[in-house]
Amino acid sequence: AQKITQTQPGMFVQEKEAVTLDCTYDTSDPSYGLFWYKQPSSGEMIFLIYQGSYDQQNATEGRYSLNFQKARKSANLVISASQLGDSAMYFCAMRERMDSSYKLIFGSGTRLLVRP
Amino acid sequence: DVKVTQSSRYLVKRTGEKVFLECVQDMDHENMFWYRQDPGLGLRLIYFSYDVKMKEKGDIPEGYSVSREKKERFSLILESASTNQTSMYLCASSLTTGPLSAQHFGDGTRLSIL
Repeated sequence: AQKITQTQPGMFVQEKEAVTLDCTYDTSDPSYGLFWYKQPSSGEMIFLIYQGSYDQQNATEGRYSLNFQKARKSANLVISASQLGDSAMYFCAMRERMDSSYKLIFGSGTRLLVRP
Repeated sequence: DVKVTQSSRYLVKRTGEKVFLECVQDMDHENMFWYRQDPGLGLRLIYFSYDVKMKEKGDIPEGYSVSREKKERFSLILESASTNQTSMYLCASSLTTGPLSAQHFGDGTRLSIL
C-alpha cells in the first residue's frame, strides 16, 4: 500500500505567486515525522522542512510552510513568492518505525516549474 | 550546517569491477544511509548503519555491501558491478534513529556501468 502519495506529477506556477504541493500519508504509528525535500536537476537532495506528529503548530522555514492536517493525514508544502530557482522536483517523505529504527519513505515527487 | 560529502559526482565503471562509493559526514551523526534513485522507482534504501561497524539491510541490498569503520564514513561497495546497477546513488545521515530526525543528503553520485 502506498504510504506517501503525491498526486501532482507536475505543476506550473508564475514567479512571485504562492504554490501548494500536495502530500497525503498513511500510518498507524502515533509517532512519526513528515519531511519535504527539494531535488534540483543537478541531483542533490535538499532538506527543506519537517513536521512532527505531535507538533501543535504548522512548521515554517522562510518561504516554506507545511500545512499539516493530522485528521486528514495530509502535509502539504506551501511555497510563497515563488522564484525561478524553486524549479525542481519536490519529495514528501515520512519517517516511521521499521523494526528497531525508523525508515524514511518517499513519495513519487512533484516536478515544479516556475514561469517568469 | 550539516555537510554530507560523496566522493564523486559522476563515475563510469565496467561490468565486473569492484566499485567503492564513499560518503563522509561532518556532524557526528549516528545514522548513515545509502539509497539509489531510478526513474519511476523513486528512492530505495540499500543499506543503513546506526553505529560504527553496524549495518542493516534496506529494501534492495542484493549485489551491494557496506562498510562503516569510522563514525563519519560510510562506504557502499558493488562487489561485481553489473549494468542494472547504473543509477543515481545518494548517501544520507541523521543525528538519531528517532522519527523526528531529518536525513541530510549528499550531492549524489551518478554511476554508469558499461
